[in-house]
Amino acid sequence: DIVMTQSPLSLPVTPGEPASITCRSSQSLLHSNGYNYLDWYVQKPGQSPKLLIYLASDRASGVPDRFSGSGSGTNFTLKISRVEAEDVGIYYCMQALQMWTFGQGTKVEV
Amino acid sequence: EVQVVQSGTEVKKPGSTVQISCKVSGYIFTEYFVHWVYQAPGKGLEWMGLIDPADGATMYTARFQGRVTISADTSKETIYLEFNSVTSEDTAVYYCVPEVPYDLRLDPWGQGTLVTVSS
Repeated sequence: DIVMTQSPLSLPVTPGEPASITCRSSQSLLHSNGYNYLDWYVQKPGQSPKLLIYLASDRASGVPDRFSGSGSGTNFTLKISRVEAEDVGIYYCMQALQMWTFGQGTKVEV
Repeated sequence: EVQVVQSGTEVKKPGSTVQISCKVSGYIFTEYFVHWVYQAPGKGLEWMGLIDPADGATMYTARFQGRVTISADTSKETIYLEFNSVTSEDTAVYYCVPEVPYDLRLDPWGQGTLVTVSS
């Protein structure tokens, strides 16, 4: 199974400042078609998870452009250019190349 | 617009059978795989399995293989998750989510169904 490892697991942030979360996979997520099958989801308090980024860097519909995803192979990053108070929640990376596995989650708190 | 509506909270005794449902709409039912995701209280997300509604083919992660069954009713456009014999470890919120074809993103997620197992 592909193991997903996120860091940090807890991320205190300051509104207006940037923030980033790293996700590493135990195997490359780069498919022969050139796509990395890595998504980012956020679960805000009391809510269902919501898609933020798919295929490593494509922003989902309605997601603010302060969120961006990057990386390839086994190393990926989610960046928030300027954190807002509403961004608090737990952020998960997930691989979809072989079965599906999630990272442990990163709790972002103001 | 794709919509996902799950059934309500279940409270069951250990050893009981539980079936929860997931009604999807806004797309051709047989064109999207549908996944189930497990979240124990205060814990992270764990992928359980999926179904291809087109032919009923399923896939499960090892932890849930043989303990749960995912099925689909095309006439009702509904996906089901059934537990054979629940234990306290099955106390969790279960999310249903369609997989968008080609890019494999899971979107949108259902509201979740809480299953509580208690004697």
